[in-house]
Amino acid sequence: EAQVTQNPRYLITVTGKKLTVTCSQNMNHEYMSWYRQDPGLGLRQIYYSMNVEVTDKGDVPEGYKVSRKEKRNFPLILESPSPNQTSLYFCASSPGQGWSPLHFGNGTRLTVT
Amino acid sequence: KNQVEQSPQSLIILEGKNCTLQCNYTVSPFSNLRWYKQDTGRGPVSLTIMTFSENTKSNGRYTATLDADTKQSSLHITASQLSDSASYICVVRGRDDKIIFGKGTRLHILP
Repeated sequence: EAQVTQNPRYLITVTGKKLTVTCSQNMNHEYMSWYRQDPGLGLRQIYYSMNVEVTDKGDVPEGYKVSRKEKRNFPLILESPSPNQTSLYFCASSPGQGWSPLHFGNGTRLTVT
Repeated sequence: KNQVEQSPQSLIILEGKNCTLQCNYTVSPFSNLRWYKQDTGRGPVSLTIMTFSENTKSNGRYTATLDADTKQSSLHITASQLSDSASYICVVRGRDDKIIFGKGTRLHILP
């Protein structure tokens, strides 16, 4: 089944403890991106990647890192999480840009205490 | 500044009734507009795409319209069902491939 898989679905951590949220897609998509979704703010792009080894900042990149060493994987790294990064995170992929829809994972709910 | 505004923020209707969700945008130059449906606890899923030359497009009980002159789109849901309860997100792509998300309309269908 074609899908975008995020892990974990739920994560509770403490301030400053490094964490990684994994994202994997099995559709051979070139484009991948990360978003956070907060009440009243909608989806905001954190980082995106047009292809392997090519990443760029989105609208809210502060406090996050990403890597794209393989086409299928696009992990989101929080080196030193803070409470304001408590949010619902979505990974998405598409064949390219232009007309293609984004295929979203089912989200990771992160709580930083 | 490129923006996408959706209205209403939330909407409650009875099962079987029709409803219309609105999306106004200022993105220019415009490439296309998509409506996504997001069920609670799930990622958004694309319902339909509208391009500059399209005025109306249907997908089952969902009908999207686009007026590129006034930069407005609507999503009409006919004979609503309980499974239509979700958030509906309008997403506009510019010709620079920049994607702008609306904040969504939360739709509640009551039995």
